[in-house]
Amino acid sequence: QKEVEQNSGPLSVPEGAIASLNCTYSDRGSQSFFWYRQYSGKSPELIMFIYSNGDKEDGRFTAQLNKASQYVSLLIRDSQPSDSATYLCAVNQAGTALIFGKGTTLSVSS
Amino acid sequence: NAGVTQTPKFRILKIGQSMTLQCTQDMNHNYMYWYRQDPGMGLKLIYYSVGAGITDKGEVPNGYNVSRSTTEDFPLRLELAAPSQTSVYFCASRREQGGQPQHFGDGTRLSIL
Repeated sequence: QKEVEQNSGPLSVPEGAIASLNCTYSDRGSQSFFWYRQYSGKSPELIMFIYSNGDKEDGRFTAQLNKASQYVSLLIRDSQPSDSATYLCAVNQAGTALIFGKGTTLSVSS
Repeated sequence: NAGVTQTPKFRILKIGQSMTLQCTQDMNHNYMYWYRQDPGMGLKLIYYSVGAGITDKGEVPNGYNVSRSTTEDFPLRLELAAPSQTSVYFCASRREQGGQPQHFGDGTRLSIL
């Protein structure tokens, strides 16, 4: 059974701090990795995706991938109250559906 | 730019009733998916399709049926609604090239009473 594990949280950080969200996956054949943000009562929206080992930066967001350790993370710099949401990690092999973790709830206090 | 459109947004059903959740996408994506999300839980795959005429079961297919007669549409059918099917249902699509991300519809909130 392919699994994606996330700490459910809640992760609480003050405004302006760095939030670090972590995810591990069981399938070594996974090829692409995604972070989605989901506000309460809304659908998931794509934040970032990463395919290669290392870091990928997009504005305040940085995704980090370590395939040897089967680990992917999302860093949010200068966290804002509007970043408060559930963050879903998802992984897939080519040709299959994404497998989602249960999500980590982030709370940013002002 | 509509993207993935789901209807209805909300629905209340009685036990034993049937209904179809509609999903359509205008991005010419060949891959489409149906997920359900229970409170505090992640997304569980119900069915997916890799193209018109091709469907396959996901993790939790029991109690559901799908069809894919066109590239755009991927309806989900509940034949005999049960309380355990109370959930939020999300449809998603993507273009299968190099592991492209999935794009989600706004969801259908379904209650079975």
